[in-house]
Amino acid sequence: QKEVEQNSGPLSVPEGAIASLNCTYSDRGSQSFFWYRQYSGKSPELIMFIYSNGDKEDGRFTAQLNKASQYVSLLIRDSQPSDSATYLCAVVTSGTYKYIFGTGTRLKVLA
Amino acid sequence: GAVVSQHPSRVICKSGTSVKIECRSLDFQATTMFWYRQFPKKSLMLMATSNEGSKATYEQGVEKDKFLINHASLTLSTLTVTSAHPEDSSFYICSASPPTPQINEQFFGPGTRLTVL
Repeated sequence: QKEVEQNSGPLSVPEGAIASLNCTYSDRGSQSFFWYRQYSGKSPELIMFIYSNGDKEDGRFTAQLNKASQYVSLLIRDSQPSDSATYLCAVVTSGTYKYIFGTGTRLKVLA
Repeated sequence: GAVVSQHPSRVICKSGTSVKIECRSLDFQATTMFWYRQFPKKSLMLMATSNEGSKATYEQGVEKDKFLINHASLTLSTLTVTSAHPEDSSFYICSASPPTPQINEQFFGPGTRLTVL
């Protein structure tokens, strides 16, 4: 069974620090990888996607993909209390266009 | 970015009634839309994939006769929860993909919170 795993947390970091969120996946043929942020009671909003090995930066966010090790991570620099949310990793597995979501990591940024 | 709307945002109904939820892509055409369900403190679980002009594809364990999906146009998909029961109470979220198949990006609607009494 194809799986996507995340540490449920909570991950607590002080304001201004770097938050590091990790996600591993089981299907080696996975093609696209997405990070979503979900505030309590709201639907997910896309932060960024990555589909090539290496780093991709967008503002305070950096996604890192390592297909050989089957993990994708999200770094949040200069963390703010408003970044406190659940971060969902979604993977599009080989042969489909469907997402498989991880369970999400709850991030708390302490002021 | 692409905008997806859902209506209603919140609905409370009696057990045994049916509830229809609409999902619209506002600024792009979506040949494929997805319906998810999310229970408290859990992740999103895909219920079905809705394709314009054809029957929806349901995930294992999802009753197609209970969760009726219609994708009538390139901008509208509906989910009808038939004969709702309290265990159907959940947060229902739709998503839609713009026509960029290389990326498989999905944009999510704001969700519909269903409470069945």
